[in-house]
Amino acid sequence: SQQGEEDPQALSIQEGENATMNCSYKTSINNLQWYRQNSGRGLVHLILIRSNEREKHSGRLRVTLDTSKKSSSLLITASRAADTASYFCAPRRAGANNLFFGTGTRLTVIP
Amino acid sequence: KAGVTQTPRYLIKTRGQQVTLSCSPISGHRSVSWYQQTPGQGLQFLFEYFSETQRNKGNFPGRFSGRQFSNSRSEMNVSTLELGDSALYLCASSQPLARLGTDTQYFGPGTRLTVL
Repeated sequence: SQQGEEDPQALSIQEGENATMNCSYKTSINNLQWYRQNSGRGLVHLILIRSNEREKHSGRLRVTLDTSKKSSSLLITASRAADTASYFCAPRRAGANNLFFGTGTRLTVIP
Repeated sequence: KAGVTQTPRYLIKTRGQQVTLSCSPISGHRSVSWYQQTPGQGLQFLFEYFSETQRNKGNFPGRFSGRQFSNSRSEMNVSTLELGDSALYLCASSQPLARLGTDTQYFGPGTRLTVL
């Protein structure tokens, strides 16, 4: 399977805490992207990490990639209520333009 | 730059009808992909268009079709609607780089289709 599998399926934390979501995949990849989706709306691109990168930051987001373990993690620091959403990872092989999504992690940040 | 736009945002149809959804990519983006999202199946790839040609297709029946125009705008069509076609349809645009699979895909807000 080319899709990513997010873990946990659901996560509930207090505002200000950090949230960590994990993604595992099975094939060799060229890059992996993380997306956020607010309830019933479009996906917002968060970050793309390439296979030769180990860590990437964007604001309060930190993404790691371990190609030997075929896994990635997304860390959101100092979470806010507005971070409440579903988060999806999309690993992608070179030469494959379409994205394969898992079922996502549903994050709830309690004010 | 304006983002990806999709029209209409909401649509209600009855079984047996057909529907056409539209997607305008980010200016300069030549690739448009379509995805279907349902509670049961999650996000699934429908097809991708690049330079007016279908470059890739997911595992959907022939009732699902699409096309792309010379200005990169894309439409998808679903004929003979079934109840199970009720879903959020998302399109994504990207500016393909030299190597396939290395670009970032940007999604529109989606069209919510309800089939009664």
